[in-house]
Amino acid sequence: AQTVTQSQPEMSVQEAETVTLSCTYDTSESDYYLFWYKQPPSRQMILVIRQEAYKQQNATENRFSVNFQKAAKSFSLKISDSQLGDAAMYFCAYRRDNQGGKLIFGQGTELSVKP
Amino acid sequence: AAGVIQSPRHLIKEKRETATLKCYPIPRHDTVYWYQQGPGQDPQFLISFYEKMQSDKGSIPDRFSAQQFSDYHSELNMSSLELGDSALYFCASSGGLEWNEQFFGPGTRLTVL
Repeated sequence: AQTVTQSQPEMSVQEAETVTLSCTYDTSESDYYLFWYKQPPSRQMILVIRQEAYKQQNATENRFSVNFQKAAKSFSLKISDSQLGDAAMYFCAYRRDNQGGKLIFGQGTELSVKP
Repeated sequence: AAGVIQSPRHLIKEKRETATLKCYPIPRHDTVYWYQQGPGQDPQFLISFYEKMQSDKGSIPDRFSAQQFSDYHSELNMSSLELGDSALYFCASSGGLEWNEQFFGPGTRLTVL
């Protein structure tokens, strides 16, 4: 069975600085998708970034980028120029490459941003 | 852009009562997913439907049932409610060109007293 692990329950960053959130996963599949979701205090689940396992290039979305290491099964999220609005719970998630496939989430990392 | 709609947004029930949660996916999305998020927990997958057929099943209690209708909306029926069922229930949808992303609704907060 696939598992997702986030070993950092809490992280803190100074406004305008850079922070990296860690995520590891375990799977025997070769094709899959990885995601980072943000859950602010409103509890809405917001997709931050997506990575296809077959792509070697790391995904980037504005200030958000990932470091995808397929062999090491590692998928970290880097937030550059952190803003107060980035404060939230961040979940790493895995999905098999199939129609209707479920998301398997990590335990989450609570990110606080200091002004 | 249209988003996933869930109703009701808040629901308070007594133990042993029944609850029905509704989900209206983004137009032209044919797949619906249900997740349960307990306090301080990560979302846990319950069940999904693709083209009105169950496509995957997670740790959904036998007291819960769900279906997807011809207009693609979905309902999660929960019977014999227990205190431990208190949680945030998310519906997500995917489909068409957005088949490999799941768009989440705002959630229904269920409180069982």
